[in-house]
Amino acid sequence: DIQMTQSPSSLSASVGDRVTITCRASQSISSHLNWYQQKPGKAPKVLIHGTSNLQSGVPSRFSGSGSGTDFTLTITDLQPEDFATYYCQQSYSIPLVFGPGTKVDIK
Amino acid sequence: QVQLQESGPGLVKPSETLSLTCTVSGGSINSYYWSWIRQTPGKGLEWIGHIYYSGSTTYNPSLKSRVIISLGTSKNQFSLKLTSVTAADTAVYYCARGSLGAHNWFDPWGQGTLVTVSS
Repeated sequence: DIQMTQSPSSLSASVGDRVTITCRASQSISSHLNWYQQKPGKAPKVLIHGTSNLQSGVPSRFSGSGSGTDFTLTITDLQPEDFATYYCQQSYSIPLVFGPGTKVDIK
Repeated sequence: QVQLQESGPGLVKPSETLSLTCTVSGGSINSYYWSWIRQTPGKGLEWIGHIYYSGSTTYNPSLKSRVIISLGTSKNQFSLKLTSVTAADTAVYYCARGSLGAHNWFDPWGQGTLVTVSS
């Protein structure tokens, strides 16, 4: 199985900050990387698919980049509604695997 | 817009079978992959498996011996059966639609249902 790691596991930030979350795969997954946002008590919601493709309706302050094994999710101008947990997910091979998550909370 | 809703018992006894149904509304189950995913505090999000609208299935090897995903008797439903459950199977279970194409992402998701395994 491909293993996914994320760093940091949590971070504190302020409204207006730029936040970067890193996801690393245990082997190359090309561009087969998706990002989700999850708020407490809610299901995850896809933000970005295929490394850098913004899902319809997702604000443009979210962006993704990377390839191979290293990927990043960037949130520019952090908004109050962005405080949540973020997960990456590889879609390169079965089993589909999620990262352990990065919790973004208010500083 | 497509919406998904999980249903089934919230409490299952150890060694018994967990059974959940996902009802799809606002769209057809035709095309797309239809997945089950679970979430625990300890193991995070775990993909259980998916079924294509044609009926073909793919499972997570870690659960394959205990999982059956099937299309429902109702046209817009699919189901999960997990046999021989233990406390480790206690989780929030989500159903979700998987995209077609090169990047298999999940959207939308059901709201999730908590299943507790306990005697």
